[in-house]
Amino acid sequence: AQSVSQHNHHVILSEAASLELGCNYSYGGTVNLFWYVQYPGQHLQLLLKYFSGDPLVKGIKGFEAEFIKSKFSFNLRKPSVQWSDTAEYFCAVNAMNRDDKIIFGKGTRLHILP
Amino acid sequence: DAGITQSPRHKVTETGTPVTLRCHQTENHRYMYWYRQDPGHGLRLIHYSYGVKDTDKGEVSDGYSVSRSKTEDFLLTLESATSSQTSVYFCAISEATSYTGELFFGEGSRLTVL
Repeated sequence: AQSVSQHNHHVILSEAASLELGCNYSYGGTVNLFWYVQYPGQHLQLLLKYFSGDPLVKGIKGFEAEFIKSKFSFNLRKPSVQWSDTAEYFCAVNAMNRDDKIIFGKGTRLHILP
Repeated sequence: DAGITQSPRHKVTETGTPVTLRCHQTENHRYMYWYRQDPGHGLRLIHYSYGVKDTDKGEVSDGYSVSRSKTEDFLLTLESATSSQTSVYFCAISEATSYTGELFFGEGSRLTVL
């Protein structure tokens, strides 16, 4: 069965610091990959997604992620974080041609210090 | 925002009582999902539906049942609620055409089982 691992459970950064959140998945076939964000008190919303093509994908609010197939990784990055980026971030994977289940990682809680 | 309504938004109940959560969508999307969100566990898939009367189990389906008699409604039932089912429940929908897989989430239903 497919699974998703997020390496960091809680990250604390100062404003303007660079961010990288790790995500690895465990399915050997073709996948769709996602990062979702949940701001305090809100529901999840899509940050960015990878289906095919350029492995470097750009999302909203200056976030980007790089798909490295050989490493089964899809790490999220942002060069300079802001206080408003404080949220919980979830990596998710959909194993294509298998079923339509989308499996989430356990999440990384990001806290930005002003 | 996608037209997804969850009800009730908050519920407190006692162990052993039945509980039904409702998810209603106005997007005519084929796929509907129920997730639960717990600290340290992220989002875990309970059940999902890929059409009217077509449902399947997710990662944590024990103790839950679902029904989908109309495209727009997906019901999650706890036949006999237990304290371990205290959680925030999110409904999500997806077109899932060409395995796009992007999920749109409802606002969540917070369930407390005493």
